[in-house]
Amino acid sequence: GQQVMQIPQYQHVQEGEDFTTYCNSSTTLSNIQWYKQRPGGHPVFLIQLVKSGEVKKQKRLTFQFGEAKKNSSLHITATQTTDVGTYFCAGPQRGSTLGRLYFGRGTQLTVWP
Amino acid sequence: KAGVTQTPRYLIKTRGQQVTLSCSPISGHRSVSWYQQTPGQGLQFLFEYFSETQRNKGNFPGRFSGRQFSNSRSEMNVSTLELGDSALYLCASSPLGGLGYGYTFGSGTRLTVV
Repeated sequence: GQQVMQIPQYQHVQEGEDFTTYCNSSTTLSNIQWYKQRPGGHPVFLIQLVKSGEVKKQKRLTFQFGEAKKNSSLHITATQTTDVGTYFCAGPQRGSTLGRLYFGRGTQLTVWP
Repeated sequence: KAGVTQTPRYLIKTRGQQVTLSCSPISGHRSVSWYQQTPGQGLQFLFEYFSETQRNKGNFPGRFSGRQFSNSRSEMNVSTLELGDSALYLCASSPLGGLGYGYTFGSGTRLTVV
């Protein structure tokens, strides 16, 4: 079945270091979404990428969608303690843009002050 | 504007019982999805409703069911509870449930089955 894989599962960094999480899909995606879940919280939507090769930035966060639309990455520059949480990528069901999302297992980021 | 509201926040049930969880989406959002989150399986899709119709269904047994009302509020029911049903149940809403929009999640209902 359709799968979305994410690596690494855990990442521990010192404040100020950079962080990257990678997402790979077993199928071509029409779009990919990224969410952040703080400890004890719920997923919060960060961004959606739609176009092949698309790059979007949100302050210190840079999101990329691969040329083949099967992979994506999230890069955080100069991490801060407020970046702590689990970052998930999610893609819709194959052949669809609607409804069901397949989530990766997430990358849990810990930032040491 | 108000976010996605899920009730109750916490629930403890006994094996064999049934439970109903409620979700009120953001006003104007017509798509409501339900997810189960566990440490072992991550976020697993249960079902999605759009304009009172179930549009997508995940790979969960028939004990898991849901519905959506004309005001877009949704309920999820789990019958004959099993220990393995202990999880955080998240509801998410979206204007149309598709391209161009992310999903807004509620705070979830933490279900513990004993």
